[in-house]
Amino acid sequence: DVKVTQSSRYLVKRTGEKVFLECVQDMDHENMFWYRQDPGLGLRLIYFSYDVKMKEKGDIPEGYSVSREKKERFSLILESASTNQTSMYLCASSFGRRGGNTIYFGEGSWLTVV
Amino acid sequence: DQQVKQNSPSLSVQEGRISILNCDYTNSMFDYFLWYKKYPAEGPTFLISISSIKDKNEDGRFTVFLNKSAKHLSLHIVPSQPGDSAVYFCAAISGSNYQLIWGAGTKLIIKP
Repeated sequence: DVKVTQSSRYLVKRTGEKVFLECVQDMDHENMFWYRQDPGLGLRLIYFSYDVKMKEKGDIPEGYSVSREKKERFSLILESASTNQTSMYLCASSFGRRGGNTIYFGEGSWLTVV
Repeated sequence: DQQVKQNSPSLSVQEGRISILNCDYTNSMFDYFLWYKKYPAEGPTFLISISSIKDKNEDGRFTVFLNKSAKHLSLHIVPSQPGDSAVYFCAAISGSNYQLIWGAGTKLIIKP
């Protein structure tokens, strides 16, 4: 069965803290994505990666960075968390060059920055 | 500039009736469209897709229609069931692009 696992479901962090969100997929997918979901704004792409050590900016990369040292793991880093980064973060993965064809999502991580 | 638009933030439908969710797009290069369903506090799950070479795709109670000339697609759910209450996202992709372009979502509420 397909599995995308996000390490933390619920986090509360203070403004200025460094935050790591970890994501692991067990499907040997090339492509991995980080989105955030906010009410009325849908899913917005932060960063994606189509290979190990490769990364591409999405629509809203400011304030975020990513790391992909291994094929199965894609980490999202908030260098200095701010309250406007309070959101639900979704990791996803997919196979092949056609990234949109059956993209699989994790359960999501709710981040609150206070 | 939203390339994929879901103009109805929410939709309420009686159980057993048809639910129709709409999606419009502006980029004529899009050639593959997907619908995802999302329950609160869960990640989206794939529901159904359609290639631009087709105008209809059916899977059980779910049918997606594509009108390329109008740049419009719709998701029909017949009959609607309480478990269908969720947020539905429309997404589109073109060529060998890695990125899905997402709509803002429509919250479907099925009334008993």
